Amino acid sequence: DAGITQSPRHKVTETGTPVTLRCHQTENHRYMYWYRQDPGHGLRLIHYSYGVKDTDKGEVSDGYSVSRSKTEDFLLTLESATSSQTSVYFCATADYDEQYFGPGTRLTVT
Amino acid sequence: GQQVMQIPQYQHVQEGEDFTTYCNSSTTLSNIQWYKQRPGGHPVFLIQLVKSGEVKKQKRLTFQFGEAKKNSSLHITATQTTDVGTYFCAPLWDFGNEKLTFGTGTRLTIIP
Repeated sequence: DAGITQSPRHKVTETGTPVTLRCHQTENHRYMYWYRQDPGHGLRLIHYSYGVKDTDKGEVSDGYSVSRSKTEDFLLTLESATSSQTSVYFCATADYDEQYFGPGTRLTVT
Repeated sequence: GQQVMQIPQYQHVQEGEDFTTYCNSSTTLSNIQWYKQRPGGHPVFLIQLVKSGEVKKQKRLTFQFGEAKKNSSLHITATQTTDVGTYFCAPLWDFGNEKLTFGTGTRLTIIP
C-alpha cells in the first residue's frame, strides 16, 4: 500500500463544532482527494487537489473546505459539523491513473 | 450530471459459483477503473480499461469494456471466500479530468 495515513481514525463530535481531518502521504503524488462513504451511496467526492494550493470542488462540497499547503498534506475541514456529515471519510492520492486510499476516518456528529 | 449505474447492489452466492457485476453509463466513457473494498477496509485498485472492447484477466477475474465504451463488467469465476467485499466501478468521462466518479458498488457475500 502507498504511504497514506489519516488522522484521527475515529472522532465523535457535537453538532456545530469545527472538525479538521488530516491526510498525509509519503508518495509525493500530485493529486489528492477527499471522499465520503455512506450506505447506498458508494464513494462521493468532496474536494480534490491537483497541486499545492490548487483545489477544486467535488459533487458534495457544501459544508466542507480544504487546504493543501504542502504536497504531502491535505486537510478537510467541517466548519460547523452537522449530523448529516456523520460518515466514513477516505483520503486518496494519485500520480497518474490509479488511486491509493488511506485507511479512513469514522466521524460521528451527535 | 454524469452518472453510472452499477448492478446488482447485492449478490449472495455459494462458494464456487460465478459472480458478475455490471456498470452502465448513458454516455461514452474515456476509461473505467475497478476497485475492491473488503469489509472494514479501504478501496483497492484492481484494473483500468481504456480501449473499446477491451478484455483483461487477473486469475479468476475477467474485466470487460463494451464496444461502445458505455458499459463494463467484472466477472469472477468459481468464487472463494477471499472474494468477499464490495466491488466499485469508477468511470472517467473526460481525459484530463482528474475527478473519478464511483458507482454505488456491488456487495458480494459468499455462502460457504
